[in-house]
Amino acid sequence: EIVLTQSPGTLSLSPGERATLSCRASQSVSSSYLAWYQQKPGQAPRLLIYGASSRATGIPDRFSGSGSGTDFTLTISRLEPEDFAVYYCQQYGSSPPAITFGQGTRLEIK
Amino acid sequence: QITLKESGPTLVKPTQTLTLTCTFSGFSLSTSGVGVGWIRQPPGKALEWLALIYWNDDKRYSPSLKSRLTITKDTSKNQVVLTMTNMDPVDTATYYCAHSWYAFDYWGQGTLVTVSS
Repeated sequence: EIVLTQSPGTLSLSPGERATLSCRASQSVSSSYLAWYQQKPGQAPRLLIYGASSRATGIPDRFSGSGSGTDFTLTISRLEPEDFAVYYCQQYGSSPPAITFGQGTRLEIK
Repeated sequence: QITLKESGPTLVKPTQTLTLTCTFSGFSLSTSGVGVGWIRQPPGKALEWLALIYWNDDKRYSPSLKSRLTITKDTSKNQVVLTMTNMDPVDTATYYCAHSWYAFDYWGQGTLVTVSS
């Protein structure tokens, strides 16, 4: 089973700053099956990025995803107040077929 | 638009079997490539994938929970059912169902299930 490790665990930044969140896989992940989600307290997760770099419907272009193989990154170019939340990466592997989530990165206001 | 809603007991006793139903609208689970998955989240903890069923009845399970899980679909009722046997207090969590198309792009609101005697 592929393990996803997200770093940092907590990121403290101010509105307007740039956020860079990392997701590292224990073995190579198909870029087609790497996704990022945002979750706010009391809410279900929201899909931000799929296929490592494609924005989901309605997601602002300040969110971008990149990476391949075992290293993936979610970048928020200029933080808005509503962006402070927990972010998860997720992969779907084919051998064995299984889905795993990272442990999350909490993005908090500095 | 696509919506999903989870239903089931809010409280189960240890060793009991949990049955959760996901009722959805706005898509068909007979459309090629579409799936519905279950994900849970213990209070204050990370997301954990449980199971996924595809339009062609192909099923995938979390390796660590496979022996306890069964996922089925009723296409005519637009429902997906998850059963989890031998519930334990550590299974206390919010359980979500979600539409799958490369990723989980639509989620239900979740239902909190507490395991306690």
